[in-house]
Amino acid sequence: ETGVTQSPTHLIKTRGQQVTLRCSSQSGHNTVSWYQQALGQGPQFIFQYYREEENGRGNFPPRFSGLQFPNYSSELNVNALELDDSALYLCASSSRQGGYEQYFGPGTRLTVT
Amino acid sequence: GQSLEQPSEVTAVEGAIVQINCTYQTSGFYGLSWYQQHDGGAPTFLSYNALDGLEETGRFSSFLSRSDSYGYLLLQELQMKDSASYFCAVQAAGNKLTFGGGTRVLVKP
Repeated sequence: ETGVTQSPTHLIKTRGQQVTLRCSSQSGHNTVSWYQQALGQGPQFIFQYYREEENGRGNFPPRFSGLQFPNYSSELNVNALELDDSALYLCASSSRQGGYEQYFGPGTRLTVT
Repeated sequence: GQSLEQPSEVTAVEGAIVQINCTYQTSGFYGLSWYQQHDGGAPTFLSYNALDGLEETGRFSSFLSRSDSYGYLLLQELQMKDSASYFCAVQAAGNKLTFGGGTRVLVKP
């Protein structure tokens, strides 16, 4: 059974740029959620995708957007990067929407300068 | 919206018992989860309570009181490898999992 994978591991971007982060869900899981985790804080829910549709969103502006593909992998896109976007971005998959048992990937560390 | 409160840090010695409390405010509550995260690692699922009472999983137990909007995670027979951050998370309407700020547990020999 393959776990959740994310790419890239680390990324450095300049303010105003755009970034795309990728996630492959655990085999058999059809739901992917994205979280932002600032240093020393808990993960903050960005949004969730179920069967290629966004079906839940946290308090993040529209410049945070996503996609889910037929194989249930997912992308997180962030436009017009701001310094405060520097964080660890975590992807988590589960076997059903709203699932409480989520399997997290190792994350992508984004630094905005 | 949702909010959760948990202590920021707890220190204990090997073999001891630690209880991490979590109080929450939310609408459309479904259940309370607990996750462990080691430094530099990903959160890993520990337990889930949807109904009042105690759930036991090996050395870890989790408790929920829906009427008090309160839960706790009990770590027994502490080991050095239990040094990590522990997060409570509320599962609520809107397919949203809201995490608390985390409790850093430091286990000393």
